[in-house]
Amino acid sequence: EVQLVQSGAEVRRPGESLKISCEGSGYRFTNYWIGWVRQMPGKGLEWMGMIFPEDSDARYSPSFKGQVTMSADKSLSTAYLQWTTLTASDTAMYYCARRLEPGYFFEYWGQGTLVTVSS
Amino acid sequence: SYGLTQPPSVSVSPGQTVSITCSGDNLGHRNPCWYQQKPGQSPVVVIFEGTRRPSGIPERFSGSSSENTATLTISGTQAVDEADYYCQAWDTTTHVFGTGTKVTVL
Repeated sequence: EVQLVQSGAEVRRPGESLKISCEGSGYRFTNYWIGWVRQMPGKGLEWMGMIFPEDSDARYSPSFKGQVTMSADKSLSTAYLQWTTLTASDTAMYYCARRLEPGYFFEYWGQGTLVTVSS
Repeated sequence: SYGLTQPPSVSVSPGQTVSITCSGDNLGHRNPCWYQQKPGQSPVVVIFEGTRRPSGIPERFSGSSSENTATLTISGTQAVDEADYYCQAWDTTTHVFGTGTKVTVL
């Protein structure tokens, strides 16, 4: 059974850094793109980018390029999303999702990680 | 940047048919798909490649697409279908989500 399990909710202050994770199981982790999706409170889905764990090739949405960094650890079957300097506008639910290959949609989703940035 | 537009909300009576549109430049050639998201849950794909339905998704969900529009249709709508629905497309190197439509079953 394919599963994506994300790390737990986080609370940070503005200016702090953060790294959240997404562990894949039940499939060959290196062979599928992992995407990250932001959902701000009461708002819609926004594609942030994706990473191919085999070679850590990362593609970013223009809206998020330079704002976050995506990485992956093949040995741990885990993808990461990190911020160096959080702001209140980063408060959101963040989902990781596995893309169908070949394909152009995300067939499996993690449960989401709620990030709250507040002073 | 590429954008996909959906109506903010639609309402439907139980047992009736509701259609949700998604508009975008050349959308029919961008592998449109649809996700259902219920409150507090992760999105679930209900239609992919414009018309295909994943296993486990009820037959009442169907999709169609034309040059610039993709449409999700729910036939015989049930109360459990009340949710937010998002279209999504592939634009050369990026995935793009639509603005989302809230479906209310009255």
